[in-house]
Amino acid sequence: QQQVKQSPQSLIVQKGGISIINCAYENTAFDYFPWYQQFPGKGPALLIAIRPDVSEKKEGRFTISFNKSAKQFSLHIMDSQPGDSATYFCAASKWGDDKIIFGKGTRLHILP
Amino acid sequence: DAGVIQSPRHEVTEMGQEVTLRCKPISGHDYLFWYRQTMMRGLELLIYFNNNVPIDDSGMPEDRFSAKMPNASFSTLKIQPSEPRDSAVYFCASSFFGTEFYGYTFGSGTRLTVV
Repeated sequence: QQQVKQSPQSLIVQKGGISIINCAYENTAFDYFPWYQQFPGKGPALLIAIRPDVSEKKEGRFTISFNKSAKQFSLHIMDSQPGDSATYFCAASKWGDDKIIFGKGTRLHILP
Repeated sequence: DAGVIQSPRHEVTEMGQEVTLRCKPISGHDYLFWYRQTMMRGLELLIYFNNNVPIDDSGMPEDRFSAKMPNASFSTLKIQPSEPRDSAVYFCASSFFGTEFYGYTFGSGTRLTVV
């Protein structure tokens, strides 16, 4: 019940296209859903996060969509650029908890 | 702020040797986490501390692994004896769960190769 399932494992998108990464969770107590971005040779870094009081959050080209009833959330990268090539991790936790549960990651490659 | 600082960045050691990884968290962060990353398993939480006290070490794979946090500005992860299957990137992360920021700040990792 603590798992966060992420798909796909890897994704190749043409420059200018939309990249979509999906995640599903089981624990209905989770109420905080961050996404982390990791470039080669670096640690993951917080990219964007959402609380379930809204169904969507947008920051620049990055959008989180949240479906509470389906227990799913997704990251959309609009107008994908080669610089977006990285590994993306979705995560979930209960706000106030000290542990964040990570998905297994998606390796995204944007073709120039 | 220099962020979370890990050393060394790369470590190559022979099987059976002791390995010590080091981490300096962000000043003021009261949580420290040790993760291991591999292609097969993704990010695995090994152990975490709150105010220098170990809270959950259920992710530590075996007795060969140990971690300490003697003070708020320093932590170590030790593997003794090391084995080839310990080869991975080890990350340290620190956190302060405030209202303005809720999440982890990761270091750049230590790439460990055991031959």
